[in-house]
Amino acid sequence: KAGVTQTPRYLIKTRGQQVTLSCSPISGHRSVSWYQQTPGQGLQFLFEYFSETQRNKGNFPGRFSGRQFSNSRSEMNVSTLELGDSALYLCASSWGTANTEAFFGQGTRLTVV
Amino acid sequence: AQTVTQSQPEMSVQEAETVTLSCTYDTSESDYYLFWYKQPPSRQMILVIRQEAYKQQNATENRFSVNFQKAAKSFSLKISDSQLGDAAMYFCAYRSVREVLTGGGNKLTFGTGTQLKVEL
Repeated sequence: KAGVTQTPRYLIKTRGQQVTLSCSPISGHRSVSWYQQTPGQGLQFLFEYFSETQRNKGNFPGRFSGRQFSNSRSEMNVSTLELGDSALYLCASSWGTANTEAFFGQGTRLTVV
Repeated sequence: AQTVTQSQPEMSVQEAETVTLSCTYDTSESDYYLFWYKQPPSRQMILVIRQEAYKQQNATENRFSVNFQKAAKSFSLKISDSQLGDAAMYFCAYRSVREVLTGGGNKLTFGTGTQLKVEL
């Protein structure tokens, strides 16, 4: 059974540019969550999608957006990149209920220069 | 809003010894799940153990066990017979049942992590 796949693994972008990250969940999982991990702020919840609908959103500016497709694959987009957006972005997939395990991908390391 | 606190940024343990990682949380809810995740250098978060708040019995998974004190809002992880492969960052996390049931999703709220070093 394939795990959660995030692409690309590494990305370098310039301030002001935009970026799109992709996450393919485990087959059958309908929930995809995104987290930002930085040394200063730790792991912070960005948003969660379930069956193509955003169920929850963390405290991030509107430059951060996402979507989910009918096959449950999800993308997150960051527009007008800032240096502070440099982080490891982790995607997690699950069945979407409270008691189910969230399976994480290996993350996308985004560096903004 | 719920918060999760891990007060030990780093811990060290000798191989084959036992170590306990601390976690406290703050919530006004009575039904929730608590998790310990491990993040090795590969960066992939791996679930170590899960505890349902309504269960009084502490969860165990092989060498890993928890001490869940609901009234004290404490959730510590004990690793027995530590191995070199246990070296990693360990995160405590909280998930609200109410939030899931009311359509708010199943987000995890994480602590700041504890870096565990295993020494020969």
